[in-house]
Amino acid sequence: GAGVSQSPRYKVAKRGQDVALRCDPISGHVSLFWYQQALGQGPEFLTYFQNEAQLDKSGLPSDRFFAERPEGSVSTLKIQRTQQEDSAVYLCASSLGSEPTYNEQFFGPGTRLTVL
Amino acid sequence: SQQGEEDPQALSIQEGENATMNCSYKTSINNLQWYRQNSGRGLVHLILIRSNEREKHSGRLRVTLDTSKKSSSLLITASRAADTASYFCATDPRRSNYQLIWGAGTKLIIKP
Repeated sequence: GAGVSQSPRYKVAKRGQDVALRCDPISGHVSLFWYQQALGQGPEFLTYFQNEAQLDKSGLPSDRFFAERPEGSVSTLKIQRTQQEDSAVYLCASSLGSEPTYNEQFFGPGTRLTVL
Repeated sequence: SQQGEEDPQALSIQEGENATMNCSYKTSINNLQWYRQNSGRGLVHLILIRSNEREKHSGRLRVTLDTSKKSSSLLITASRAADTASYFCATDPRRSNYQLIWGAGTKLIIKP
């Protein structure tokens, strides 16, 4: 079966541009997470969806970051007016149940964002 | 902010030897998970241990959890070249229902 997919795999943006990163979770997975991973560091939580509801967005670093999952499947992370400090790998993960921290998370390959 | 800290930051051993990595965390947890990340397969879940468990095994992996010391260890026995990767622990602090908090990882290199 297909795993979690993300697109694009690589994105280069000029400072000030808007970008949109897409995540296709495993079909039927209720929970969806976005993480930001800097080089040499572990993932940092950004936001969590349970179906289409965004239940936790406390990790989003600024109001330039926005995420949605309108139909409870595909999710998009949008970053407006990108800054150099936004350069990182953005990881999406999904899990089957609605108790997200009690279940294995399945990760996509990530989108490497470079802001020039 | 990162809850977990892995130790050591880097570890290089010969193929066939055992590798032990440690994770310390700061607040009470419900469970602790270990993940592996390499360039080929991305982040992959290895094992989950609940706060009321002390030890868990999965193939060549053995995980222990000491909630009194707020620490966990991951032992990989009979290491293989394919075990070369970064290993992360992730905890779910009881203050949050949704977040996993990750350490910075241990980079493991298996020398042939």
